[in-house]
Amino acid sequence: DQQVKQNSPSLSVQEGRISILNCDYTNSMFDYFLWYKKYPAEGPTFLISISSIKDKNEDGRFTVFLNKSAKHLSLHIVPSQPGDSAVYFCAASDSGNTPLVFGKGTRLSVIA
Amino acid sequence: ETGVTQSPTHLIKTRGQQVTLRCSSQSGHNTVSWYQQALGQGPQFIFQYYREEENGRGNFPPRFSGLQFPNYSSELNVNALELDDSALYLCASSLFLAGTDTQYFGPGTRLTVL
Repeated sequence: DQQVKQNSPSLSVQEGRISILNCDYTNSMFDYFLWYKKYPAEGPTFLISISSIKDKNEDGRFTVFLNKSAKHLSLHIVPSQPGDSAVYFCAASDSGNTPLVFGKGTRLSVIA
Repeated sequence: ETGVTQSPTHLIKTRGQQVTLRCSSQSGHNTVSWYQQALGQGPQFIFQYYREEENGRGNFPPRFSGLQFPNYSSELNVNALELDDSALYLCASSLFLAGTDTQYFGPGTRLTVL
């Protein structure tokens, strides 16, 4: 049973537009959520996180929104740049120190 | 501040052999976690070490074992390799704090079992 789901395997966006990546989770014990970006032949790079006491966290072009009642989070990238093309993983944990549970990832392609 | 490093980058083994993968944590971090990422999947948790003790384990058989050393570097050992062990193995280090622990990943070791 997949506890973290990224239902879109891929997403294509034009440069300068908004990219929205979605993630759903089933485990109500999850209270800390992270997004990682992964380029080929590299490890995942931490992008942004949010704890369950917040519903929004912003860092430059990246904003994560959390809807606890819907068990849904999303990552917004504005404006999208060609260098953002990568696989994005959503991850969740129970109180931060427990293992991260990852989704399968969404491949984002930003077209110039 | 140095990041997480892993060695080797790539490794080819045959079924039944044993393998040791290595990880150096980011400076100041005291916790290391290992993940297996199969093709087309997200990383799956293998186990975590905190202060040289195993601090949680995922759904992996005992032939997957690990060590953490006093300098917080770590090893992942896999015995009796199977074809399905072919994957990218990721090490992540973190500072064990309550609530908002962010794990930082190394570049991974690509293991191929023939």
